[in-house]
Amino acid sequence: ETGVTQSPTHLIKTRGQQVTLRCSSQSGHNTVSWYQQALGQGPQFIFQYYREEENGRGNFPPRFSGLQFPNYSSELNVNALELDDSALYLCASKAGVEGDTEAFFGQGTRLTVV
Amino acid sequence: GENVGLHLPTLSVQEGDNSIINCAYSNSASDYFIWYKQESGKGPQFIIDIRSNMDKRQGQRVTVLLNKTVKHLSLQIAATQPGDSAVYFCAEVTSGSARQLTFGSGTQLTVLP
Repeated sequence: ETGVTQSPTHLIKTRGQQVTLRCSSQSGHNTVSWYQQALGQGPQFIFQYYREEENGRGNFPPRFSGLQFPNYSSELNVNALELDDSALYLCASKAGVEGDTEAFFGQGTRLTVV
Repeated sequence: GENVGLHLPTLSVQEGDNSIINCAYSNSASDYFIWYKQESGKGPQFIIDIRSNMDKRQGQRVTVLLNKTVKHLSLQIAATQPGDSAVYFCAEVTSGSARQLTFGSGTQLTVLP
């Protein structure tokens, strides 16, 4: 166990709906990143939050948004869900953004859009 | 890394043999590399890392080799065990970025009894 927890573990939504996924970072970690992993592929970087501000974003449309809270937990929000949004959504936390420290992943949220 | 769609490269090895998993990375400006193991239903788990100023690093039963000339990484697992069966990803971190991970497409390792 990494100490990074995500909720819910599984979720089914209808196309056009909105979804919020949650992540609690490991104790002492102030940086949270979100990744989308389609079936049979590697995780793709969505964005990263450091001390409640977004400090990096991948090639995802604006309907993917996020928040980080003072306790460093984070949310990923996806609006206007599309069928292709079906994937495993992974959260990773680490301590700081300077230098390279190990990022710890949660078990993911499996989102199915029907 | 390149996506290979729904068909992951696969590697099958006999229990006790050594495994070598290869990865081609995409960005010559990447300066930090990590290997992750992902078991079914779980998130990626850190195995070993290497910085671009090194060409080899060893851990417990694992060795990572880096060839910057051809942008190639390999992960060697000694005395492969059934618990090593998983999908293995290499990831690169590019200098000047938010230090996010860019993952390769992964290799499915199956350990045969």
